[in-house]
Amino acid sequence: GAGVSQSPRYKVAKRGQDVALRCDPISGHVSLFWYQQALGQGPEFLTYFQNEAQLDKSGLPSDRFFAERPEGSVSTLKIQRTQQEDSAVYLCASSFSREGGDITDTQYFGPGTRLTVL
Amino acid sequence: RKEVEQDPGPFNVPEGATVAFNCTYSNSASQSFFWYRQDCRKEPKLLMSVYSSGNEDGRFTAQLNRASQYISLLIRDSKLSDSATYLCVVGDYKLSFGAGTTVTVRA
Repeated sequence: GAGVSQSPRYKVAKRGQDVALRCDPISGHVSLFWYQQALGQGPEFLTYFQNEAQLDKSGLPSDRFFAERPEGSVSTLKIQRTQQEDSAVYLCASSFSREGGDITDTQYFGPGTRLTVL
Repeated sequence: RKEVEQDPGPFNVPEGATVAFNCTYSNSASQSFFWYRQDCRKEPKLLMSVYSSGNEDGRFTAQLNRASQYISLLIRDSKLSDSATYLCVVGDYKLSFGAGTTVTVRA
């Protein structure tokens, strides 16, 4: 079946530009996560949605980062006024976990968006 | 201090060899532990969950030592296809990843 998809796969932005990264989770998956992976590092948690509710945004590095999932399916991660330190791979993951269910359900990752800020 | 620390390697081993490595984690309250595999420029994929009693999945054996807060992974009879970066992961919904241990299996 279809996995998690992300677009664009690659994005080059000039410093100061705004970018929007899209994530299509696996159909029926309630939980959606965003992670940031810098070169040579493991992914770092950014934010978590259960359906349309953003339950944890503790990992967002600054107020320039904003994520939404208005209809509980597709999610967008927006970065305003991009900086060079924002250059990384942005990974989206989804899991089946439903409210009250097992929050440790396997997270399935998308291929990521590689963002380069010049 | 990072929440999950791993030996970055690389571990360069011949086919058929056994390779083992571990990681340590700082949050003693952690309840869920995993090993993920990440191929070059690909997304992480779950290799196996790690249980307190230790568990095996084919050639892969994972162990958890809660008292010392470390997790280990052992790969027996290494295959060329095992070449990858292995990420130690701790957490429930909010996963904390180590930086990864690189394993290269040579013919």
